[in-house]
Amino acid sequence: KAGVTQTPRYLIKTRGQQVTLSCSPISGHRSVSWYQQTPGQGLQFLFEYFSETQRNKGNFPGRFSGRQFSNSRSEMNVSTLELGDSALYLCASSRTLAGSTDTQYFGPGTRLTVL
Amino acid sequence: GIQVEQSPPDLILQEGANSTLRCNFSDSVNNLQWFHQNPWGQLINLFYIPSGTKQNGRLSATTVATERYSLLYISSSQTTDSGVYFCAVGAPLGSSNTGKLIFGQGTTLQVKP
Repeated sequence: KAGVTQTPRYLIKTRGQQVTLSCSPISGHRSVSWYQQTPGQGLQFLFEYFSETQRNKGNFPGRFSGRQFSNSRSEMNVSTLELGDSALYLCASSRTLAGSTDTQYFGPGTRLTVL
Repeated sequence: GIQVEQSPPDLILQEGANSTLRCNFSDSVNNLQWFHQNPWGQLINLFYIPSGTKQNGRLSATTVATERYSLLYISSSQTTDSGVYFCAVGAPLGSSNTGKLIFGQGTTLQVKP
């Protein structure tokens, strides 16, 4: 069974631009969660989508948004990029809601650099 | 919210040595996972262990939920075990912290040949 896939793997943008990252969950998984990893803040939860609905959101500004499609694939968008948005963005999938007793599986991540 | 503390923050071992990594959490959880982050950044699942003990080869883990801690044991360490180990917990449905994994800051392990 294929794992979680994320595209692109690497991205370089300049301040003020916007970016869209994509995540395809494991087949049959309906929950997709997004996390941001930085050296200073560690791994922080961005949001979770389940059945095309945002179920939970972390403490990030409105510039960070996402959506989920009917095939469970998810995209996250960051508008008006700032230098501090440079990070590794990780996507995780699980069969059921992320808050349940279910294992989350992570993709390889997208490394975003903002210049 | 739930706090997750991992210790030690850094660990240097000689190949063949054993080690114990600890994860303390501040509230009841219904989900606890251990991950190994590889040099390319991917989080590799090691264990899903909200309670009890599990073993997988040279790795084993124990979670004592009533005392709010989990331990990851690595025996006969190899250089390929190097990397960052994360503990992450999830809160029960209905709590303010549900719907996400809360990560500790990680333990960076270096195994020297």
